[in-house]
Amino acid sequence: DIQMTQSPASLSASLEEIVTITCQASQDIGNYLSWYQQKLGKSPQLLIHSATSLADGVPSRFSGSRSGTQYSLKINRLQVEDTGIYYCLQHYSAPLTFGSGTKLEIK
Amino acid sequence: QVQLQQSGAELVKPGTSVKLSCKASGYTFTSNHMNWIKQTTGQGLEWIGIINPGSGGTSYNVKFKGKATLTVDKSSSTAFMQLSSLTPEDSAVYYCARYGNSGFDYWGQGVMVTVSS
Repeated sequence: DIQMTQSPASLSASLEEIVTITCQASQDIGNYLSWYQQKLGKSPQLLIHSATSLADGVPSRFSGSRSGTQYSLKINRLQVEDTGIYYCLQHYSAPLTFGSGTKLEIK
Repeated sequence: QVQLQQSGAELVKPGTSVKLSCKASGYTFTSNHMNWIKQTTGQGLEWIGIINPGSGGTSYNVKFKGKATLTVDKSSSTAFMQLSSLTPEDSAVYYCARYGNSGFDYWGQGVMVTVSS
């Protein structure tokens, strides 16, 4: 199975700050990587697909990047509504696997 | 608008089975594969499997083979997941999620399954 190592497990940041969350894949997954935001008591929502493409309706302060087998989600100008848990997902090969999640809180 | 409406919370006894539903609307049901995902506090998100509503073809996470069975009813645009031989470790929130736009672009609201005697 492909392991997705996500870091950090949690972070606390201030409004308007820039934060970065990373996922390291245990093998090549190409651009078959997506990012999700889950708010408390809600279903996850797609933020980024194909490693770098913004999903419909997602604010442009979210962006995704790739360097080899390391994938990053960057949030510019952090807002209160960005609080939640963020997950990466590889869908290159079955079983599809998620990262362990990053809990983001606003100071 | 695309919607995935899941059935209500379940309280079931150990050793029994439960069948969860996910009714799709707002798009052509057979055009997108449907995934099922398990979420627990301890294990995070786990992919259970995927079904092609057009053909009925499935692929399962080995961990859930024998535990989960995915089916669809094209006439009602509904996907189903049956969980069998339930134990307390199967207590979780279960989601259906459509595969589209190179990701899981729409999710159901989730259904909580509690296995307890």
